[in-house]
Amino acid sequence: DVKVTQSSRYLVKRTGEKVFLECVQDMDHENMFWYRQDPGLGLRLIYFSYDVKMKEKGDIPEGYSVSREKKERFSLILESASTNQTSMYLCASRGQLDTEAFFGQGTRLTVV
Amino acid sequence: GEDVEQSLFLSVREGDSSVINCTYTDSSSTYLYWYKQEPGAGLQLLTYIFSNMDMKQDQRLTVLLNKKDKHLSLRIADTQTGDSAIYFCAESITGGYQKVTFGTGTKLQVIP
Repeated sequence: DVKVTQSSRYLVKRTGEKVFLECVQDMDHENMFWYRQDPGLGLRLIYFSYDVKMKEKGDIPEGYSVSREKKERFSLILESASTNQTSMYLCASRGQLDTEAFFGQGTRLTVV
Repeated sequence: GEDVEQSLFLSVREGDSSVINCTYTDSSSTYLYWYKQEPGAGLQLLTYIFSNMDMKQDQRLTVLLNKKDKHLSLRIADTQTGDSAIYFCAESITGGYQKVTFGTGTKLQVIP
């Protein structure tokens, strides 16, 4: 079974803190993605990576950065957390020849 | 650019059929998906259809694709309370970065 694991289910952080969300996949997938999910807005792509050390901006990259030092791990970084970044964050991975993307269980981040 | 739209809510009685609709704008879409998200969980692929198909049936699920109108639907026969979830329509194209674009999600409520 493909496994995409996000390091935390729930996080509470203060405004201005630097926040790291970690995601690990065990299927040697080339492509990894970070989405945020908000009611009525669906999933919006923040950043994605198609190879180690490679990254591309998604639709809403402002206020975020990413890191992919190893193939299996893709980190989302909030440089200075703000209350409008309170959301559910979903990581996904997909092999180059795969039909589907596989998702982690999500991290619900609250910024106070 | 890509845009995927869905209605936000659907309520049906147990045993009835549910039909969830989706429209998309990218005519180069190769795969069209339906993902299911149960409360507190990540997304799971329910079914998908290639863009050169009109219909796909899988047990209680029927996917219909109208390429001319860029309309995708998911029919769930004999809807059960366990089908209560958020259903996301999504699209992707072959090649490139394997990016998947999601709709806003439709929350299906099944009334016993």
